Amino acid sequence: EADIYQTPRYLVIGTGKKITLECSQTMGHDKMYWYQQDPGMELHLIHYSYGVNSTEKGDLSSESTVSRIRTEHFPLTLESARPSHTSQYLCASSAAGSGETQYFGPGTRLLVL
Amino acid sequence: QKEVEQDPGPLSVPEGAIVSLNCTYSNSAFQYFMWYRQYSRKGPELLMYTYSSGNKEDGRFTAQVDKSSKYISLFIRDSQPSDSATYLCALKTGANNLFFGTGTRLTVIP
Repeated sequence: EADIYQTPRYLVIGTGKKITLECSQTMGHDKMYWYQQDPGMELHLIHYSYGVNSTEKGDLSSESTVSRIRTEHFPLTLESARPSHTSQYLCASSAAGSGETQYFGPGTRLLVL
Repeated sequence: QKEVEQDPGPLSVPEGAIVSLNCTYSNSAFQYFMWYRQYSRKGPELLMYTYSSGNKEDGRFTAQVDKSSKYISLFIRDSQPSDSATYLCALKTGANNLFFGTGTRLTVIP
């Protein structure tokens, strides 16, 4: 079954730790995205990729970095986590084409103490 | 000014009611209009997708786009407790990035 997966689902970690949030999709989509979602706020795009070895920053400035070495995999890394990074992180993917819709993973809830 | 405005609610209705959810936007270049449903502690799932003005119906759900007024709506008929979720509108131009509303939290009371 084609799907989009995120791990871990929940993460509690101390300040200064390096973390990597994993995102994988089995739909063969070229485009992948990372969003940040805080309660009562709209989703904000922080990174996106149009394909392997392509990454761009989104509308919301973020201290995180991403990589796209394989089509199906789009991990997000925080080198040194801070309490301000506490949020929900959502990964999404879409096929090529301007009208293609985005499909979301279940999200990772991150709490930095 | 935000690209997309959406009343965050919360909205509570009795089971069987007709629900109307709305978004307004400012950018006339938006061409694609989507509604996502997000259950608590889950990712958004695509509910309805429309291109340009008009209505689209899918079961109990109807999406309506009025480009002249820059106004989009989602109607839910015969609402069920399982419809309780946050509903997000999302709009895009021909480019790739989606612009989301803040979401409206809906509770359908049995």
